[in-house]
Amino acid sequence: DAGITQSPRHKVTETGTPVTLRCHQTENHRYMYWYRQDPGHGLRLIHYSYGVKDTDKGEVSDGYSVSRSKTEDFLLTLESATSSQTSVYFCAIQIPGLAGVRELFFGEGSRLTVL
Amino acid sequence: AQKITQTQPGMFVQEKEAVTLDCTYDTSDQSYGLFWYKQPSSGEMIFLIYQGSYDEQNATEGRYSLNFQKARKSANLVISASQLGDSAMYFCAMREMDSNYQLIWGAGTKLIIKP
Repeated sequence: DAGITQSPRHKVTETGTPVTLRCHQTENHRYMYWYRQDPGHGLRLIHYSYGVKDTDKGEVSDGYSVSRSKTEDFLLTLESATSSQTSVYFCAIQIPGLAGVRELFFGEGSRLTVL
Repeated sequence: AQKITQTQPGMFVQEKEAVTLDCTYDTSDQSYGLFWYKQPSSGEMIFLIYQGSYDEQNATEGRYSLNFQKARKSANLVISASQLGDSAMYFCAMREMDSNYQLIWGAGTKLIIKP
């Protein structure tokens, strides 16, 4: 089974402070993703990575940056957190499933509250 | 424009009955894939089933089946013989060709199974 851990799992911070969420995988999967989940919106892609130092923006990338200096780690940074970034953040990796289906495997989520 | 539409925000179903969760999609690509994920109250995202646009048969995985109607652009999830543990949010998602394996998500359907 793919191993993926997110840290921290819960964080409360104040507006204007920087926040970094970490996603760590135990296998060498190439594609990694950061999503945010808000009621009524499903999952929305923030940024994704297709290799070390190769990243690209998703549909809601404003206010977020990412870095991937090692295959196993994908960091999401909020340079100056705002209340609108209060959300649950999911990291996902793309894994080869049965019959060649490349499904997403998700971390447990990180709940961020910006006061 | 919404690319994935789940028209049922919430559903109540009696235990042991079959359930159909609706999903319609919009794409001009000929090659795409459709996914269903389950999110229990504990928060994790669980992959359920996949349908490729060129698959001639509807996908099935245990009690889950996907009613794929390509001309209507619908990919409804059918759960047979529902169980209390099926109570969860269900998300439909689509991957288009050349999208760097990105998924576009619907807003989800909250399913509650009544005993």
